[in-house]
Parts: sequence; structure tokens; C-alpha cells
Amino acid sequence: AQSVSQHNHHVILSEAASLELGCNYSYGGTVNLFWYVQYPGQHLQLLLKYFSGDPLVKGIKGFEAEFIKSKFSFNLRKPSVQWSDTAEYFCAVSPSGTYKYIFGTGTRLKVLA
Amino acid sequence: EAGVTQFPSHSVIEKGQTVTLRCDPISGHDNLYWYRRVMGKEIKFLLHFVKESKQDESGMPNNRFLAERTGGTYSTLKVQPAELEDSGVYFCASSQRNLGDTQYFGPGTRLTVL
Repeated sequence: AQSVSQHNHHVILSEAASLELGCNYSYGGTVNLFWYVQYPGQHLQLLLKYFSGDPLVKGIKGFEAEFIKSKFSFNLRKPSVQWSDTAEYFCAVSPSGTYKYIFGTGTRLKVLA
Repeated sequence: EAGVTQFPSHSVIEKGQTVTLRCDPISGHDNLYWYRRVMGKEIKFLLHFVKESKQDESGMPNNRFLAERTGGTYSTLKVQPAELEDSGVYFCASSQRNLGDTQYFGPGTRLTVL
């Protein structure tokens, strides 16, 4: 069955630290990839997405993600986190040709001021 | 532009009762989706409407769940009768017409079944 793994369930960082959140998926075909974020008390919102082309994708708020096809990975990165990045982050995969998203379990990030 | 709205934000019911959740998508969005997150687990796809038609309901857990989308506008998700394992956060999302259009999520309805 198709699945998405997010290895870190809880991450605590100090401000200005670098962030990398792992995401791996299991699906043999072509996929579209997404990172969503849910800030406290807010809706899920899209950070970035990858459909094709340059595997290094830049999103909002200084986030980026790299698609490594051979590793079935789509890790999220940010060079220097801020307190306002405290949120839950979700990786999602959509097999090409389908509309539904398959989500990972989410990673709760806490950034200490 | 108004976002996806969901009502109610919270619902607490007893096992065996019926609950109806409502979702209003972004105006003009043909695609509407329901997802559910059981505590501590991943957000799981339930079903997908294109306008008023069910396109994919492969994620619906069982026949206690009934989703409708009257006239291709708002959607309701009814759980009847509710069981303890139905507790969780139910998210609705909508997207425009094309495959690959971003899904915009609502705030979710937190359902607690006692």
C-alpha cells in the first residue's frame, strides 16, 4: 500500500538553527509531492509542491525541499528557523493522475526563542 | 477570497448518535475532498467530489458514513450511528478544476464520540 513516512515526530530547535525534516514515500510510479504546515490555531496551508522539473523546490517563508527520486525522499529544509516556525508539518504525496493526497503522520516543530 | 469553512468546529456526541458535518468550499472550486485525522495518526483521505458527483470514495471507512454535495456547492458528511473510533478531526479541502491544482484546507471539525 502507498504510504508516507515522516521520521521525526517531534523536533525542538533554538532560533537560528537549521532545520531538516525527513519524508519518504513508498510508491513505484510518478508522484506529486507536497509539504503543508499547520500553525497553532490555523488551517493547513501549502508550503511548497513538486510536480516536475528542478528537484529543488523553493516555497514560502524561506522553506525549500529536495526531491531525490532514487531515495523516494522529499525532505524539507530551512537554513535558519524562527520562533514563528513553530507548527506541525505534513508531507503528502499524490500519485500522478489522482487527486487524493496521502499524508505522513506529521512532525511537530517547536522553536525556542 | 473566503477560504474553506467547516461547521461545527467541535462536536461531542454519544456513541450511537448521529452527527452531520458541513463544509463550504471556496466559491468556484469544482473539487471537494474530505479527510480525517485520528489522534496521533496521519491525515487520511475519505472521498472526493467533482461538483455533485462522487469521484473517489475509496477511503470511506464503512457504510455508517454518508457524504453528499448538493448542487455541487457545500458538502455534508453524516456519521450514523457514531462509534468511539470515529473520533478525530475531519478536514475538508477544495481545489479548482484541474488535476494538480492546490488543495485548500478548512480548519477542521473535531469530533469526539463518548
